[in-house]
Amino acid sequence: SQTIHQWPATLVQPVGSPLSLECTVEGTSNPNLYWYRQAAGRGLQLLFYSVGIGQISSEVPQNLSASRPQDRQFILSSKKLLLSDSGFYLCAWSGQVNEKLFFGSGTQLSVL
Amino acid sequence: RKEVEQDPGPFNVPEGATVAFNCTYSNSASQSFFWYRQDCRKEPKLLMSVYSSGNEDGRFTAQLNRASQYISLLIRDSKLSDSATYLCVVTGYSTLTFGKGTMLLVSP
Repeated sequence: SQTIHQWPATLVQPVGSPLSLECTVEGTSNPNLYWYRQAAGRGLQLLFYSVGIGQISSEVPQNLSASRPQDRQFILSSKKLLLSDSGFYLCAWSGQVNEKLFFGSGTQLSVL
Repeated sequence: RKEVEQDPGPFNVPEGATVAFNCTYSNSASQSFFWYRQDCRKEPKLLMSVYSSGNEDGRFTAQLNRASQYISLLIRDSKLSDSATYLCVVTGYSTLTFGKGTMLLVSP
């Protein structure tokens, strides 16, 4: 069966520090991969999605970036965090575009 | 009009009650529809897909009305464990679009 791993579960970072969140999927090949952010009391905002290695689509302009160095690995990065980057970050995968998503357990990021 | 709209609630119901949520969507070309459940500070989890003919899974019934562009979720015999936020999800132009969710609180 397919599983998705995301870490760390919580992270407290100072403003201006770098960020790297990693997500890996097991049990499937060539998944579509997604990064979402959920700010407190708000809905899910799609940040990036990828349909293959090295293929990244960005949904919103921001100081975050994403990379997909391997088929089942998706990384979310920032060179300098802002206060507004605080939120709950979720990685997800699907078998096909516009199919149901399966989420990792999320990372609660607090930028102070 | 927002792509996916839901009443944020909260819906406060006693155990055993029946409760229904609606969700409207703006993209008439949407083909797939889902309900997700999200507990506080947890990831969303797929509750059920919504099919054109309507579908039922135990105490949960989902329906789609394409003409009026809304989907619904009915929960019968509510349990305390049903307390959560329910997210409506609709296929967009290239990715899924999530509603902001409806909060359900079931009390003893």
